[in-house]
Amino acid sequence: GENVEQHPSTLSVQEGDSAVIKCTYSDSASNYFPWYKQELGKGPQLIIDIRSNVGEKKDQRIAVTLNKTAKHFSLHITETQPEDSAVYFCAASKTSGSRLTFGEGTQLTVNP
Amino acid sequence: NAGVTQTPKFQVLKTGQSMTLQCAQDMNHEYMSWYRQDPGMGLRLIHYSVGAGITDQGEVPNGYNVSRSTTEDFPLRLLSAAPSQTSVYFCASSAFNPILGTEAFFGQGTRLTVV
Repeated sequence: GENVEQHPSTLSVQEGDSAVIKCTYSDSASNYFPWYKQELGKGPQLIIDIRSNVGEKKDQRIAVTLNKTAKHFSLHITETQPEDSAVYFCAASKTSGSRLTFGEGTQLTVNP
Repeated sequence: NAGVTQTPKFQVLKTGQSMTLQCAQDMNHEYMSWYRQDPGMGLRLIHYSVGAGITDQGEVPNGYNVSRSTTEDFPLRLLSAAPSQTSVYFCASSAFNPILGTEAFFGQGTRLTVV
């Protein structure tokens, strides 16, 4: 089955800096790669996703890149703000939202 | 919009007790799933369903049962609770598309402690 590894497990940055979280996956058939943000006491919420026919996608301060050959994808957050502090999860799936395999999560802390 | 609703939010069980975690969605999504979240392990899939009457096992199904009698509801049953089932449980739903990925919507979670 699919295996997703996520690094780093914790990340601390100063407000205004950029943050990068990286994930690798094992199943070359995976074609859908969402990123979720989880705030304390809440369920994960989708912040951006990318499909295997696209190499990069951007939404304001958030961007995701995908390298199918190397089987890795990354989340980039620019101009970080304290409200970006949360746990971020990457995931991979072969079809739709079904059978998402999650990475272990990254605790991002943005220091004012 | 209610989205995905889970009940209860918190539960303490004694070892050997059984209980049902409830999950309901109002988005008419075909796909529903249950995950458990443990520290340092991300979210792991327990069971999932692609429609009413259809369920299948995920990565960690032992000790759990599910059924899907309606599109809206997907309850998770713990048959005989064990301390190893202490975790936070999340239900999720998404529209099923065989070709393209679609957003999964998560409930607020149920924090279960087994003593």
